[in-house]
Amino acid sequence: DAGVIQSPRHEVTEMGQEVTLRCKPISGHNSLFWYRQTMMRGLELLIYFNNNVPIDDSGMPEDRFSAKMPNASFSTLKIQPSEPRDSAVYFCASSYGGTDTQYFGPGTRLTVL
Amino acid sequence: EDKVVQSPLSLVVHEGDTVTLNCSYEVTNFRSLLWYKQEKKAPTFLFMLTSSGIEKKSGRLSSILDKKELFSILNITATQTGDSAVYLCAPNNNDMRFGAGTRLTVKP
Repeated sequence: DAGVIQSPRHEVTEMGQEVTLRCKPISGHNSLFWYRQTMMRGLELLIYFNNNVPIDDSGMPEDRFSAKMPNASFSTLKIQPSEPRDSAVYFCASSYGGTDTQYFGPGTRLTVL
Repeated sequence: EDKVVQSPLSLVVHEGDTVTLNCSYEVTNFRSLLWYKQEKKAPTFLFMLTSSGIEKKSGRLSSILDKKELFSILNITATQTGDSAVYLCAPNNNDMRFGAGTRLTVKP
C-alpha cells in the first residue's frame, strides 16, 4: 500500500496567491483529516471528513481556508489568499471508520513569503 | 475547553535508561487516547488506548490509560538513540486535540 499521498511536498508562494494542497487517502479508508503543524502552535486539527462529508471544520482558522472531498480518494485544502502566517507543514491523515488509528501522509511544507 | 498536557516537555537520557512520558487530558466525548512518535517527518502511530488499566506493549514501548484520573503514560525501556523523537498524545474525540509533545533525546 502506498500510504497517504500528499502533493506538493514543498510549496513556496507569495502573499496573496492561492494555494491548493492535495491528499489521496489510503484506499478503503473512509475518514480523512487535515492538520497544520507549526512550532508555535504544535499540531492542530483543521477539518475532518467522514464518508466524504465534512464533519467538523471548527479548526479551520478563517474563511480564507476551505477544504473539499469530491470523492473517497481525493481531498483538497485551499488557502485563498495566502498570508505569511499560513506558513506551516500541512498533514493529511486517513483512517478506517470503526478504528481510531490515523495514518499520516508525509506533509506539505508551505512557505508564504 | 478541551485540554491536553504532556510532561515533561523535554527529556535527555542516555542509552539504556528507562523513561516515562505523561499525558493528562480534560476533554468531552472521549473515545480513546492515541500516542504518536514524530521524528523529522510525519507522526507515526504507536498505540491506541480505549480501556483503563490494560497495558499495551510493542517491543520496548508500553502504554497504559487511566480513564478515572484522566491520564496516560508511555514507557520506553532500554532506550536507544533511535528513540529520539517528539512523542505526541491525543485524546480522540470530535476535536482531536494533540498535546504539545515531549521531546526525547537519547544520547549514546
